[in-house]
Amino acid sequence: NAGVTQTPKFQVLKTGQSMTLQCAQDMNHNSMYWYRQDPGMGLRLIYYSASEGTTDKGEVPNGYNVSRLNKREFSLRLESAAPSQTSVYFCASSGNRGRSYNEQFFGPGTRLTVL
Amino acid sequence: GQQVMQIPQYQHVQEGEDFTTYCNSSTTLSNIQWYKQRPGGHPVFLIQLVKSGEVKKQKRLTFQFGEAKKNSSLHITATQTTDVGTYFCAGRVAGTALIFGKGTTLSVSS
Repeated sequence: NAGVTQTPKFQVLKTGQSMTLQCAQDMNHNSMYWYRQDPGMGLRLIYYSASEGTTDKGEVPNGYNVSRLNKREFSLRLESAAPSQTSVYFCASSGNRGRSYNEQFFGPGTRLTVL
Repeated sequence: GQQVMQIPQYQHVQEGEDFTTYCNSSTTLSNIQWYKQRPGGHPVFLIQLVKSGEVKKQKRLTFQFGEAKKNSSLHITATQTTDVGTYFCAGRVAGTALIFGKGTTLSVSS
């Protein structure tokens, strides 16, 4: 099992460009998440999908859109990139082993720089 | 909104010394999780605590959940260089998404 995979690993964009970050998991998990990590800020939730067909905003959704393409895949789109979106982006997934037990499995991250 | 505060932000220790990081929430949590992120890596789940006053151990690591379910701690006994990284707590209020603390970055010198 590959676990959670993310593409690309690195990306440099110019201000105003758009791009989509891809995430896939092979653990048959219902829930998937997108986080951004900035120095000293920890992990902040952008969007999440509790199940196929549903998406919800997290703490910092502005400037982003998401698509839960199927149970395996959850993509994050930046329509018009801004320097403030320079960050490391992590995708994660979690399964349903009871209501309270839901450890998150993280992908390797995408390091995005917006110039 | 709900916040999970974590202290200290940074901690440097000599190998063999103990280390503790603390996590506090403004609201009662249904559970709390701990993750470790090695430099350049991704967060990896360590443990989840659910019950009031719960204490769990993993080798040299001891995790506690407060009686009021608003605070938690991770204690490492006799640190090793392999313990280097950032430790995150993440708390959940029932029915909401997990909220991560800002993490404590541990460095260890031999």
